[in-house]
Amino acid sequence: AQSVAQPEDQVNVAEGNPLTVKCTYSVSGNPYLFWYVQYPNRGLQFLLKYITGDNLVKGSYGFEAEFNKSQTSFHLKKPSALVSDSALYFCAVRGDYGQNFVFGPGTRLSVLP
Amino acid sequence: GAVVSQHPSRVICKSGTSVKIECRSLDFQATTMFWYRQFPKQSLMLMATSNEGSKATYEQGVEKDKFLINHASLTLSTLTVTSAHPEDSSFYICSAHAPSSGSLYTGELFFGEGSRLTVL
Repeated sequence: AQSVAQPEDQVNVAEGNPLTVKCTYSVSGNPYLFWYVQYPNRGLQFLLKYITGDNLVKGSYGFEAEFNKSQTSFHLKKPSALVSDSALYFCAVRGDYGQNFVFGPGTRLSVLP
Repeated sequence: GAVVSQHPSRVICKSGTSVKIECRSLDFQATTMFWYRQFPKQSLMLMATSNEGSKATYEQGVEKDKFLINHASLTLSTLTVTSAHPEDSSFYICSAHAPSSGSLYTGELFFGEGSRLTVL
């Protein structure tokens, strides 16, 4: 069965500092990995995805994520956080057998000015 | 990116009434749409997969007679919460794959803005 873990409910970081939001996964077959961001009372916005190729994936708003097969991780990173990055972040996985997306529990990021 | 429109964004209704939420793909055709429910400070729970021209596929534990899903066209899916009760109050979100984002299995989902239902 597929599963996604986001071990941190909350991440606090000072503006201008690098940020990391962690994600680990379990899936049958090759993983297709995604990051989404959700602002209050809004739907989810796509940030980036890993399908194949380079392990470092660059996405929207300066975010990037690194796929690590041995550690089954797909951590989201940004070199310099902005206050406007404060939101709820979801990691999601899908296997290559056509399974549905499975979302992690979400991590609330707070960037402090 | 592709645009998915969801309406209404907020709805307040009395207990016992039915509420319909619409999900439209504005610039692409979606043979499959998904309906999620999100509780406060929690992740998304997949309720059902909406298939154009056929019956929806419901996840275990989701009452299909309570949550009626109709996918009448390639750009519109509707979720009707029938005989709503306060425990149905939640944030409902729809999503769809856009063909331009990749294959059905590797492409990302595009989400509507969500609908907050409050049942009094």
